Amino acid sequence: DVKVTQSSRYLVKRTGEKVFLECVQDMDHENMFWYRQDPGLGLRLIYFSYDVKMKEKGDIPEGYSVSREKKERFSLILESASTNQTSMYLCASSLYGDRGHGYTFGSGTRLTVV
Amino acid sequence: DQQVKQNSPSLSVQEGRISILNCDYTNSMFDYFLWYKKYPAEGPTFLISISSIKDKNEDGRFTVFLNKSAKHLSLHIVPSQPGDSAVYFCAASISSGSARQLTFGSGTQLTVLP
Repeated sequence: DVKVTQSSRYLVKRTGEKVFLECVQDMDHENMFWYRQDPGLGLRLIYFSYDVKMKEKGDIPEGYSVSREKKERFSLILESASTNQTSMYLCASSLYGDRGHGYTFGSGTRLTVV
Repeated sequence: DQQVKQNSPSLSVQEGRISILNCDYTNSMFDYFLWYKKYPAEGPTFLISISSIKDKNEDGRFTVFLNKSAKHLSLHIVPSQPGDSAVYFCAASISSGSARQLTFGSGTQLTVLP
């Protein structure tokens, strides 16, 4: 069974901390994405990557960075966590050229910044 | 400014009846539309899609209708079952130079009452 695995289900961090959210996929997908889900706002794209070491900004990249050193792993970094980054974070992957029906999502990481 | 909007945060229907979930979009460049379903503590999963050159796509109990002139799509579930209770996200995508990105709506919580 194909999978996108997010390293933590729940995470509590302090304001100002550097936070790493890890995502690993075992499907040899080229594309990987980071979204955040907030009530009333749905899923908003933070960053995505279509190849190793390649990254592009999504709709809300401020306060975040990403790293993709290996094809299967895509990391989201909060350089200095703030309370407004408290959210559910979802990682997804897809094949290059997929029109959207082949996205596979992880189960999410619920991050609370206190 | 949200390019994909779901104006109903919640919907309740009786088991066996029809569920109709609605979605509006503003960007006429979207060429592919999708519905994703999300259960609690799980990532969203693909449900059904439609190309912008079509006006209807059917898959079992699920039918998606697209009205391009109105920039509106809807998801019909007939008959509704208690297991359909979930959050439904409408999404749209555009072909770009790199990976296709999905733009999601804010979601509609569907509750099917037994």
